[in-house]
Amino acid sequence: DTGVSQNPRHKITKRGQNVTFRCDPISEHNRLYWYRQTLGQGPEFLTYFQNEAQLEKSRLLSDRFSAERPKGSFSTLEIQRTEQGDSAMYLCASSSDRNTEAFFGQGTRLTVV
Amino acid sequence: KQEVTQIPAALSVPEGENLVLNCSFTDSAIYNLQWFRQDPGKGLTSLLLIQSSQREQTSGRLNASLDKSSGRSTLYIAASQPGDSATYLCAVGPGYSTLTFGKGTMLLVSP
Repeated sequence: DTGVSQNPRHKITKRGQNVTFRCDPISEHNRLYWYRQTLGQGPEFLTYFQNEAQLEKSRLLSDRFSAERPKGSFSTLEIQRTEQGDSAMYLCASSSDRNTEAFFGQGTRLTVV
Repeated sequence: KQEVTQIPAALSVPEGENLVLNCSFTDSAIYNLQWFRQDPGKGLTSLLLIQSSQREQTSGRLNASLDKSSGRSTLYIAASQPGDSATYLCAVGPGYSTLTFGKGTMLLVSP
C-alpha cells in the first residue's frame, strides 16, 4: 500500500451533470476526510468518516454533495447538478487511531464548463 | 472559529539560504499542528506533525516549533535547495477531526 489513492485525477464535466470521485485510504486507516481546495487557498474541510460513520459535515457541503463510505474502506464523493463554482481540487486524506497525522492523496481536479 | 494565517505569502531566496516560514492560529485549544508541502497541481505531502504537548519536531533539514500559548509555529528550512520550491501549508486540528489550513507560503529557491 503506497498511500491514499484518488480517482480520477482529472474530470471535466458540463454544468448540470453529476460526477463521482473515489478515494482509497491507507489500508489500516479508519478515519477518512474530504477537503476542497481552490486556487490560492488552503484546503477547506468538507466531511469526515470514522469507519463507515459520517461524523462531521461542513456547511460547505450543500444538498448537491453526498459522501459515502459503505464498508469503512473506500469512499465516494458525488456532486449532483454541477455548477461552475464547484470547479476545484477535491482532496482525500486518511489517518489512524494510533496517530493523528493526516496523509493526503493526489487529489481530483474538477473543471465544470 | 479557528483561523490560520501564514506569513509571508510568497518568498524567493537564493540556494543555500536558511529560511523561516511563519504560521499563527487564533484558538490555542489545538491537539496538533501539521506542516505540509504542495507542488503545483498535486496533493499534499506531510512534512512534520507536532502534538500539542511537544514544542518541536525535526526531519532532516526541516525543523518545526510550536508555541501553543501564543498561537504560533515556525518551519525552519536549512540550506535551501531548488527542489524545496513549493507551497508550504500549515494546519491545526482539535484531534481526530478536521484540520484548518492557512493559505500557504509559496517558496521559490533559485539556483
